[in-house]
Amino acid sequence: DTGVSQDPRHKITKRGQNVTFRCDPISEHNRLYWYRQTLGQGPEFLTYFQNEAQLEKSRLLSDRFSAERPKGSFSTLEIQRTEQGDSAMYLCASSFGPPLGTDTQYFGPGTRLTVL
Amino acid sequence: EDQVTQSPEALRLQEGESSSLNCSYTVSGLRGLFWYRQDPGKGPEFLFTLYSAGEEKEKERLKATLTKKESFLHITAPKPEDSATYLCAVRRSNFGNEKLTFGTGTRLTIIP
Repeated sequence: DTGVSQDPRHKITKRGQNVTFRCDPISEHNRLYWYRQTLGQGPEFLTYFQNEAQLEKSRLLSDRFSAERPKGSFSTLEIQRTEQGDSAMYLCASSFGPPLGTDTQYFGPGTRLTVL
Repeated sequence: EDQVTQSPEALRLQEGESSSLNCSYTVSGLRGLFWYRQDPGKGPEFLFTLYSAGEEKEKERLKATLTKKESFLHITAPKPEDSATYLCAVRRSNFGNEKLTFGTGTRLTIIP
């Protein structure tokens, strides 16, 4: 079990630049989630995929944010025209939904984004 | 809107000193209350899922319990390696709404 992996682990960018993060879920998991966490807060839900379909999006996910999961495997989260308020830890989680799975969400190590 | 409130915000204990962390929640139908542990700079690590009032789960020095309004994470005879932030999260009952709503966590420090 290799766990959820995320790349890069750290990203420093200048305001106005675009950034893209990648998440590789646990291999048999059909559900994939993105969360954002700022210092001293709990993770906040951004979006969720079942296989390749994006089924739920938070109001936090502005037009500058887009997520994809082509072929139901890895996922990418892109932020366009970054702002300083986008600085946060971006967490990916995956789960294996019912009826065969418990749907427990397992998190990756996160990507720390700093916007200068 | 689902709400999760954790207390205390921070807790310092001597090694071996048992205590409890609290998670109060408001959710429109509960389909799971989750406890995670998070070390600095890392992603949350899954600990327990509780589904119904009266349910209890244990793992090493940790025991989680659930009532209709709150959950407790009891830590017995903690060791320094138990130092971490403990996060509580809820998922509501309507299928298709899969997000977890997290509290802000309790930062636990165990002093040797």
